[in-house]
Amino acid sequence: NAGVTQTPKFQVLKTGQSMTLQCAQDMNHNSMYWYRQDPGMGLRLIYYSASEGTTDKGEVPNGYNVSRLNKREFSLRLESAAPSQTSVYFCASNRDRGRTEQYFGPGTRLTVT
Amino acid sequence: QQPVQSPQAVILREGEDAVINCSSSKALYSVHWYRQKHGEAPVFLMILLKGGEQKGHEKISASFNEKKQQSSLYLTASQLSYSGTYFCGTAFPRTSYDKVIFGPGTSLSVIP
Repeated sequence: NAGVTQTPKFQVLKTGQSMTLQCAQDMNHNSMYWYRQDPGMGLRLIYYSASEGTTDKGEVPNGYNVSRLNKREFSLRLESAAPSQTSVYFCASNRDRGRTEQYFGPGTRLTVT
Repeated sequence: QQPVQSPQAVILREGEDAVINCSSSKALYSVHWYRQKHGEAPVFLMILLKGGEQKGHEKISASFNEKKQQSSLYLTASQLSYSGTYFCGTAFPRTSYDKVIFGPGTSLSVIP
């Protein structure tokens, strides 16, 4: 099992460009999450999908959109990147929402210039 | 809504013990604990559920006081490998425990 995979690992964007971060899990998990991590801020929840077919906003959703493509895949889109979106992005998944442990992907380091 | 963690940072010598605390202003359904080493993804340590159920590693212990909306992580006889940032995550019954919100982290350094 690969667990949770994320692509790309690194990305540099110019202000105003768009991109999609991809996440996939092979553990048959129901719930998936996108977090961003900035120094001293911990992990902040952007969007989550409690189950296939549903998505909801987290703590910091502005500037992002998500798609739960199927049970395995959950993508995060930046429509018009801003320097404030420079961060490390982690995707995570688990079997059942807040009841079970989360498994994290390796992260995507995004720099917006 | 973000839980509060204390202390912000702690330095230990090998073999010493440490306690990391996590508290919430809202009623909790579950508390999660993760450790993250520099440049890596967070790794699961422990989950504590309302009602007393726990799941985690054998060498890690934690408590969950539902009434006080607090949890503590106990690290005993610390080893160099314990160094990293510890995050607590919380899920809330009023949101059907759908999402996990993490605290800002506690930096732990173990020195020889």
